[in-house]
Amino acid sequence: DGGITQSPKYLFRKEGQNVTLSCEQNLNHDAMYWYRQDPGQGLRLIYYSQIVNDFQKGDIAEGYSVSREKKESFPLTVTSAQKNPTAFYLCASTRGVVRDNEQFFGPGTRLTVL
Amino acid sequence: GNSVTQMEGPVTLSEEAFLTINCTYTATGYPSLFWYVQYPGEGLQLLLKATKADDKGSNKGFEATYRKETTSFHLEKGSVQVSDSAVYFCALHAGGTSYGKLTFGQGTILTVHP
Repeated sequence: DGGITQSPKYLFRKEGQNVTLSCEQNLNHDAMYWYRQDPGQGLRLIYYSQIVNDFQKGDIAEGYSVSREKKESFPLTVTSAQKNPTAFYLCASTRGVVRDNEQFFGPGTRLTVL
Repeated sequence: GNSVTQMEGPVTLSEEAFLTINCTYTATGYPSLFWYVQYPGEGLQLLLKATKADDKGSNKGFEATYRKETTSFHLEKGSVQVSDSAVYFCALHAGGTSYGKLTFGQGTILTVHP
């Protein structure tokens, strides 16, 4: 079955630590996205990548970093510079960037800072 | 800029009631419009979409019509079930140089009681 996997499902971090969230897709999609979800605020875009070795900042990129070394993988690092990292993180992908293409979402990672 | 506004929730209904969740948007050009659903602890799933004015998207008894004159894309279902309890997100894809990015509304929590 094709889809997007995210790991881990739950992640706990101590203040001052960097953590990396995994996102893998086997849909052969070119574009991938990271969103942050907070209660009552919908989804906000962190970073996105249209092709391998290229990515751009979204609306709330500060304190986050990404890489896109392989088409199927788009890991997100939450750094110690992110002041309020506790949230639900969602990865998504799409076949192309034309406007009628839907995005497919992974199951999410819930990050909690202790 | 682009934006999506959804009716505030939570919405609480009895089984078999009629559902409407309002969604209005602001966008340059001619966006595509989407409704996504999120069940507790999961990622988002596409519920339906419409890519041009007067298109009606439908799926699993849910419907929404793209109304350009009122910039709206309201979600409706004639008879809700307990299993429809979830968070519903309206989203737009502006096309052009948006690189596949979606703009989301804040989400509407729906609870259906037996």
